[in-house]
Amino acid sequence: NAGVTQTPKFRVLKTGQSMTLLCAQDMNHEYMYWYRQDPGMGLRLIHYSVGEGTTAKGEVPDGYNVSRLKKQNFLLGLESAAPSQTSVYFCASSLNGNEQFFGPGTRLTVL
Amino acid sequence: GQSLEQPSEVTAVEGAIVQINCTYQTSGFYGLSWYQQHDGGAPTFLSYNALDGLEETGRFSSFLSRSDSYGYLLLQELQMKDSASYFCAVNRDSSYKLIFGSGTRLLVRP
Repeated sequence: NAGVTQTPKFRVLKTGQSMTLLCAQDMNHEYMYWYRQDPGMGLRLIHYSVGEGTTAKGEVPDGYNVSRLKKQNFLLGLESAAPSQTSVYFCASSLNGNEQFFGPGTRLTVL
Repeated sequence: GQSLEQPSEVTAVEGAIVQINCTYQTSGFYGLSWYQQHDGGAPTFLSYNALDGLEETGRFSSFLSRSDSYGYLLLQELQMKDSASYFCAVNRDSSYKLIFGSGTRLLVRP
């Protein structure tokens, strides 16, 4: 089992560009989450999903969109990147919510 | 509002015991989780407490007091590899959205 994988690992964008971050899990988990982590801080929830076809907003959803068309995949989109979105993005999945499994992260820089 | 408070840094000696405290104030509470994160790495799950009391997993134990809105992570027989950041996180409802604290950076010295 690969667990939770994220694509890409690193990305540099210019202000105004768009991109999609892909998260995939092979553990058949219902719950999936997108977090961002800024230097010296904890993780903040962007969006989450409690099952295929469902999505909901977290703490900091502005500027992001998500889709969960397949149970194993959770996509995070940035329509028009801003320097404030420079961060490390982590995806996580969970079977019952108590224990979340995190992917390796995507390091995004917006110039 | 939502807030979790934990010390920013703790230093301890190899072989010693260290306790990392976490106090929380959140709307809704299902349980308290602890995660470990090494520099440049992803968070990894350590423990989860839904009920009052102590949960033990090897060298790590976690405690919760719901009436005091307080919990702690206890690390025994510290090893150099335990140097990392430790985050407490509150599960607020049945969708298991986590609210994370800012983390405690633990430095283990020889």
